[in-house]
Amino acid sequence: DAKTTQPTSMDCAEGRAANLPCNHSTISGNEYVYWYRQIHSQGPQYIIHGLKNNETNEMASLIITEDRKSSTLILPHATLRDTAVYYCIVRFLSSNTGKLIFGQGTTLQVKP
Amino acid sequence: GAVVSQHPSWVICKSGTSVKIECRSLDFQATTMFWYRQFPKQSLMLMATSNEGSKATYEQGVEKDKFLINHASLTLSTLTVTSAHPEDSSFYICSASRDPSPLHFGNGTRLTVT
Repeated sequence: DAKTTQPTSMDCAEGRAANLPCNHSTISGNEYVYWYRQIHSQGPQYIIHGLKNNETNEMASLIITEDRKSSTLILPHATLRDTAVYYCIVRFLSSNTGKLIFGQGTTLQVKP
Repeated sequence: GAVVSQHPSWVICKSGTSVKIECRSLDFQATTMFWYRQFPKQSLMLMATSNEGSKATYEQGVEKDKFLINHASLTLSTLTVTSAHPEDSSFYICSASRDPSPLHFGNGTRLTVT
């Protein structure tokens, strides 16, 4: 699995957009970009994933660069409950081969 | 949506005893489940891949005789920490998915060995 690089921590004001970057320069053509977050003492929560097109769901938007070497997770209107560790992971789609390898993630602190 | 359930959510045991943690996929069948361990202020570390009907695949450095995994059905995988010691105290998390859905995680089991 390709490795990812994320900033260790970020702050965001409540109500503003939170933009979390991720570098995955060694991603292969059939690896997807996944984002999960972990709130303290809970299991990781799936947010969104994509291959090469930008994706949006009720939680967030995922912007993937054209060369697929980096991506940005966007939380459009951050709330205090979005304070968590955010993990960017690349993996193959199938669970039989695509185990999730977690890096250190980005600790997002949403401040009032 | 897919739901993964773990039980118990926390357990305290004495050194030398064994502890079993269950991971269930509640509304789907999972041929593969994954077990992770997480120490305080650290990221999740993959321990093993649990395959229904066959032996688990362990990551390098994880003792298979220490962490017994049984994936007896398409909805249940168990992790048994044998002869637990204080250094085994950790947060254990499982995950599963039904292709092509993303992996979903249980809420974890906090093990404290005294």
